[in-house]
Amino acid sequence: AQRVTQPEKLLSVFKGAPVELKCNYSYSGSPELFWYVQYSRQRLQLLLRHISRESIKGFTADLNKGETSFHLKKPFAQEEDSAMYYCALKAGGTSYGKLTFGQGTILTVHP
Amino acid sequence: NAGVMQNPRHLVRRRGQEARLRCSPMKGHSHVYWYRQLPEEGLKFMVYLQKENIIDESGMPKERFSAEFPKEGPSILRIQQVVRGDSAAYFCASSPDDVEAFFGQGTRLTVV
Repeated sequence: AQRVTQPEKLLSVFKGAPVELKCNYSYSGSPELFWYVQYSRQRLQLLLRHISRESIKGFTADLNKGETSFHLKKPFAQEEDSAMYYCALKAGGTSYGKLTFGQGTILTVHP
Repeated sequence: NAGVMQNPRHLVRRRGQEARLRCSPMKGHSHVYWYRQLPEEGLKFMVYLQKENIIDESGMPKERFSAEFPKEGPSILRIQQVVRGDSAAYFCASSPDDVEAFFGQGTRLTVV
């Protein structure tokens, strides 16, 4: 069975500082990895997925199969980045709606 | 498009009662997924439905829980004889084509 671990429950940085939200996974096959974000009082929404290799709102994430990690990074954090972030994994051959989520990291960006 | 709508947003039930959670998918979406989030945990997949069919219910507890997505109307997650351990946030997501899931705001169930 697959597993996603986000080791940091809380992460605080100051505006303009770099930020990295950690995500590690365990899965024997070839996974697809995602980052979801939930801003205050809003619904969970897709931030980015590794296969598209996009940069969304300045965030990037690289899948490192050797380290089984998919850390989310942003070089200069903004106050509006404050939110709950979830890393999620889709196993091969399964639905895109059947995701395995990590426990989430609450990011707070201080002014 | 109003997005995935879940109601009620908050539901309080006494132990032994039934809880019915509703999910109206986005217009044109025929795939629905239910997740449960227990306190301090991530979202856990429960069930995947298409119109009138259960596609994958591997995450559903074996007893007291059922889900349906009828030809007309919202998807319903039904919990019979609720217990304190059922207290959680229940999220619904929908997709037009099983490529990306769009989430609702969730229903917070409290069992007293």
